[in-house]
Amino acid sequence: AQSVTQPDIHITVSEGASLELRCNYSYGATPYLFWYVQSPGQGLQLLLKYFSGDTLVQGIKGFEAEFKRSQSSFNLRKPSVHWSDAAEYFCAASLMDSSYKLIFGSGTRLLVRP
Amino acid sequence: GAVVSQHPSWVICKSGTSVKIECRSLDFQATTMFWYRQFPKQSLMLMATSNEGSKATYEQGVEKDKFLINHASLTLSTLTVTSAHPEDSSFYICSAPERVETQYFGPGTRLLVL
Repeated sequence: AQSVTQPDIHITVSEGASLELRCNYSYGATPYLFWYVQSPGQGLQLLLKYFSGDTLVQGIKGFEAEFKRSQSSFNLRKPSVHWSDAAEYFCAASLMDSSYKLIFGSGTRLLVRP
Repeated sequence: GAVVSQHPSWVICKSGTSVKIECRSLDFQATTMFWYRQFPKQSLMLMATSNEGSKATYEQGVEKDKFLINHASLTLSTLTVTSAHPEDSSFYICSAPERVETQYFGPGTRLLVL
């Protein structure tokens, strides 16, 4: 069955430190891959997406993610975390068809220490 | 950019009553919309796919008679939680794809059933 796994439930980093959030997927073929952020009381916001081509994708707010086919991973990174980055982060995947259906990982809550 | 709205943003109701939640795409047409449910500190679980002009498609384990979906127009889908019970209390989120790679999420509706 198709699935998206985020192995880290919580991650705490100090402000200014680097960040990496892990995401692995299990699909029959390489899906479309996404990272979303959900702040308290707000809707999901798309950070970045990968469809094909360059395996390192840049997103908003200084985030980037690297697609690694051999590891079935799509990890999110940021070189220097800001306190405002504290939120819930979701990795998601979608088949390359017209169904548009997204499957979400369980989410990683990011806490930022001052 | 494209926006998806939900109404109401929160609702409190008595057990046994029905609650209707609206999802609108504000500046694009969506023949398909999705309804998700999110429990506290958990991920988004796809409940159903709302299809304009045809019946909704429900995910396994979702009661179609309990969660009625109507895609009345190309910009409006409604989710009605019938005979709501406390276990139906949750955060309900809709989304609408503008293209296969671009999906917009509503801000969510928090339902509390007393």
